Parts: sequence; structure tokens; C-alpha cells
Amino acid sequence: QKEVEQNSGPLSVPEGAIASLNCTYSDRGSQSFFWYRQYSGKSPELIMSIYSNGDKEDGRFTAQLNKASQYVSLLIRDSQPSDSATYLCAVRVPGGYQKVTFGIGTKLQVIP
Amino acid sequence: KAGVTQTPRYLIKTRGQQVTLSCSPISGHRSVSWYQQTPGQGLQFLFEYFSETQRNKGNFPGRFSGRQFSNSRSEMNVSTLELGDSALYLCASSLGGSSRGQETQYFGPGTRLLVL
Repeated sequence: QKEVEQNSGPLSVPEGAIASLNCTYSDRGSQSFFWYRQYSGKSPELIMSIYSNGDKEDGRFTAQLNKASQYVSLLIRDSQPSDSATYLCAVRVPGGYQKVTFGIGTKLQVIP
Repeated sequence: KAGVTQTPRYLIKTRGQQVTLSCSPISGHRSVSWYQQTPGQGLQFLFEYFSETQRNKGNFPGRFSGRQFSNSRSEMNVSTLELGDSALYLCASSLGGSSRGQETQYFGPGTRLLVL
């Protein structure tokens, strides 16, 4: 079982819709969770981090964490074509400093 | 604050050669992690340096090595290059502590390596 799992997609949503990206992780002791966005040919850029169960909102983005079910999700409201990118979920795995494991990423396509 | 910088941005080498990539972290960041990214494998962790010491290591052969200097700048070396080493090499820096938020990683633009 992979430590961090994501559906590689592509996930296609129409412009203006809500895009929902999901990620599951295997280590129940994981404490820190991150979402990155990566445009084609570019490096990942941090969207947000989340540490506690529940929702965390930042503009059009909402991260949701459920440690009991071991999943973390990212909602993008009012999706725009400029949101088309690959979204990487990252989880800090306990047991070592800085051992942050990335999922394969979900490719999002926002259709105008 | 300046972001993470990597040099060179593009590199073309032939099989059997060696290559050295450089990464300068965000000022004040003491941890530098290196990743290899390929289309099929995603981001694969190579190693992480903190205060000039390798603190974590991924599952890569010994041809991949790194080091960190006292100013936190880091270099990664790949010896005896193989075709399969063609990839985007990313470095990411963080404060490096164990407290919440200190492990947040910020990526450089990457070095795209092509091995012919």
C-alpha cells in the first residue's frame, strides 16, 4: 500500500463548478498535510497546509482533514481555467524529521 | 525574501558522465530536500540535509549523493549517468524544525536533466 494515494485523473470540471480532489494516507500517526499545485513544466507551489481535523479555508480553496478516516481533500470553488494543473497531496510521516511523502498528483482540467 | 534557487536550469549529458546540481535555500532555512520527478513516478524523495548532515535518505542507488554547506546551500551529484536519470530534479527548503509549520517545504524551479 502506498503511503499517500491520489487518483491521477484527469478530473474534468466545467468552469465555475467545485473541483474536489481527494487523498488518502496510510500512516495513522501522520500529523501534517499539504496541498501543492504544479503547472505543467513548473515546480510545485504550496497552496495550503492543514494540521487539525475539519476545514481550513483560504480564498477559493478549502482543505478538509479527517484523521479517523485517513483522508484529506481539497475543494476549489468557482473553478477557473487557470486552475488547470496537477495537485499534489503531501503528508508528513512520523518517525523522522522532514519525511514528507507526496502522492502522484491529480491532474485537474477546468473546461471553459 | 528570495525564493529557492537552483542552477543550472537545464542540462544535457551523455551516459556515463557525472553531473552536479546546486540549490540555494530561502534565507534562514536550514533543511534542503531533493526530489526526482518523472512523468510515471511522480515526486521521488532522494535525500534531506539539515545543518550539513544527511537526515533522511530515499531508495536511490549510491550513484546519487549530496552534501550541504555551512551556509545551507546544497549540491547533488549523480555519477555514471544512465538514460533513466533523465528527469526534473527539484530541491525544497524548509526551516527544518519539528514544530508545526517548520517542515513546510518550498520548492525551487528545478533542474531539467536530459541524458543522451
